[in-house]
This record gives sequence, C-alpha cells and structure tokens, in this order.
Amino acid sequence: ETGVTQTPRHLVMGMTNKKSLKCEQHLGHNAMYWYKQSAKKPLELMFVYSLEERVENNSVPSRFSPECPNSSHLFLHLHTLQPEDSALYLCASSQVGTGTGYTFGSGTRLTVV
Amino acid sequence: QKEVEQNSGPLSVPEGAIASLNCTYSDRGSQSFFWYRQYSGKSPELIMFIYSNGDKEDGRFTAQLNKASQYVSLLIRDSQPSDSATYLCAVNEYSSASKIIFGSGTRLSIRP
Repeated sequence: ETGVTQTPRHLVMGMTNKKSLKCEQHLGHNAMYWYKQSAKKPLELMFVYSLEERVENNSVPSRFSPECPNSSHLFLHLHTLQPEDSALYLCASSQVGTGTGYTFGSGTRLTVV
Repeated sequence: QKEVEQNSGPLSVPEGAIASLNCTYSDRGSQSFFWYRQYSGKSPELIMFIYSNGDKEDGRFTAQLNKASQYVSLLIRDSQPSDSATYLCAVNEYSSASKIIFGSGTRLSIRP
C-alpha cells in the first residue's frame, strides 16, 4: 500500500447507526486531517492531528468523534448523523514544517438516510 | 477569518490554448501556496506548490506568485480535454504550521 488509504469507499447509514471511517497513511507524515466536502461547497476542515495530538476541532458537532491512535492511523467515529451530513469525507496527511502540502486519500462517500 | 478567493467558473478554454486560473488570499504571513486538481467524484491531487515570488514551471503548468498583491495564479499551456477539472488554490495559515486554507475552486472546461 502506498500513499493515503481510506475505507470504506462508500457508506450508507441510517440516522441511528454507529459507524467508523478509517484512514491510514504510508508516507511517514506527522500530521493527519479530516475534511468534509459537500456538493458545491469548499473543503471544510474538521479535525487536525499533529504528532498524534488533536490541535484543531473546527466547531464540529459531537456526533463526529475523531481518534488518532498513532501517527499512521486516523478514525472518524459517526453516530446519530443527520441527512445533511451526507458528503465526501476526505482524509489527508502532511509532514509539518516542510511546506509540501497535503496528500489526500480517495475519500469516503457517505449517505445518511 | 483567513480567506482564499477564487472565481468559481466555469472557465471554458479551447483545446491547445492557455488556461489562466487566479486566486487571492488574505493572510499576509502565508509562506506556502498550492494548486490542487480535483476531478469530479475524486479527491484533490497536488499539482504545484510555490514559495517564492515569481514563476515556477513544471511541464505544461506554471505557478505565479505575487506576495505584495497577495495573488497566486496557475497557467496551463496547450490545454487538453483531460485538464477539465476543478482547480483548488490553497494557502498555508501563518499562525498554524499544520493548517492549509482551501479556496472553493474554479471549474475548468477544455472544449475540443
């Protein structure tokens, strides 16, 4: 595996379900990110983990709960979501201090029914 | 509130012509500037980054930076239909070493 991998690629869940999105980076980076991308809207930063410590939580509702057990793995735990949470969820990683930008995973297309 | 502004388009350019994409940013302390390409239904892909004022060329792509005017642009020479995508401008936030702010993107369409 190379780059940033996200699973699952597609997810349909009911509003009462609990599910988790997984992200793994194989680049040796020290920061990981969750972004939300809704139709015709810009990328919205949700969470930033730098050196496994959460450094940003952009006023995200508590029904989204991130977890970063180590520098290579990032999870987004989902529970009691709303239909407006349907979007593309993107994970990214970077090496802080190098200024070389983010590498994105392929994303998870989430539909809440 | 740090901002990155782009014209949403669509920008329509004939095949073989030069496509010019523009971006302005509000954070005067920003040091790193990026252009990402995103095909419909796919994730963003980094195509260029630039740190210094002036031009940086990579194949058919040229990034231009003017920090005094807080302006970044991307030129695509000899445009191909495969260049049709949304182009996202992104700028690092000076106060946070780990954070990049994205613009809303410009949709580019190359017509044969």
